[in-house]
Amino acid sequence: NFMLTQPHSVSESPGKTVTISCTRSSGTIASNYVQWYQQRPGGAPTAVIYENKRRPSGIPDRFSGSIGSSSNSASLTISGLKTEDEADYYCQSYDATNHVVFGGGTKLTVL
Amino acid sequence: QVHLQESGPGLVKPSGTLSLTCAVSGGSISSSYWWSWVRQTPGKGLEWIGEIYPSGRTTYNPSLQSRVTLSVDKSKNQFSLMVTSVTAADTAVYYCARGSVVIAPHYMDVWGKGTTVTVSS
Repeated sequence: NFMLTQPHSVSESPGKTVTISCTRSSGTIASNYVQWYQQRPGGAPTAVIYENKRRPSGIPDRFSGSIGSSSNSASLTISGLKTEDEADYYCQSYDATNHVVFGGGTKLTVL
Repeated sequence: QVHLQESGPGLVKPSGTLSLTCAVSGGSISSSYWWSWVRQTPGKGLEWIGEIYPSGRTTYNPSLQSRVTLSVDKSKNQFSLMVTSVTAADTAVYYCARGSVVIAPHYMDVWGKGTTVTVSS
């Protein structure tokens, strides 16, 4: 199986842009779709990106996703940061045998 | 709109069995989705436990497979999780979720609010 590695924490100021990476340890990042989930304190995860770059209904276009073959990683970019974006973010993918894998999570601080 | 609601004992004794149920409302559990369980230990990240298809086909996290059983009850529109031989390491918030099959496989688009299970004597 593979691992998804995320930075433990990132911080940025309101109005700025932040990017969170998610690096796949083995296999190709493009082999299986990557999803991103937001989890606010005390709440359940909710999806902000699916299928690498698609946004669920209701998610603003400030949220965008991409994958990079050279770095074997996926990225979540949040532009025009708002204090309400402060949360933990998790990437998620799966392997050929349908085993689901989550990244370790990244704490985003908007200060 | 589909809603998921976890239920079950909040306290389980060490070496005992943890049993949780996820009730599905606003939709049918027989729909073509994976029905999943995910847990989060205190202060830690998300850990996928396993998933079950309406047919009864299951996939488990290899690290938990020997202790985990998932089942579906179509008559009650719910699915269940059982974890045997629990220890303090199984103390966590347990979430049930719905996973897509066709659009971005395993994209979990609906989540329950989660239920806290503590393993303690």
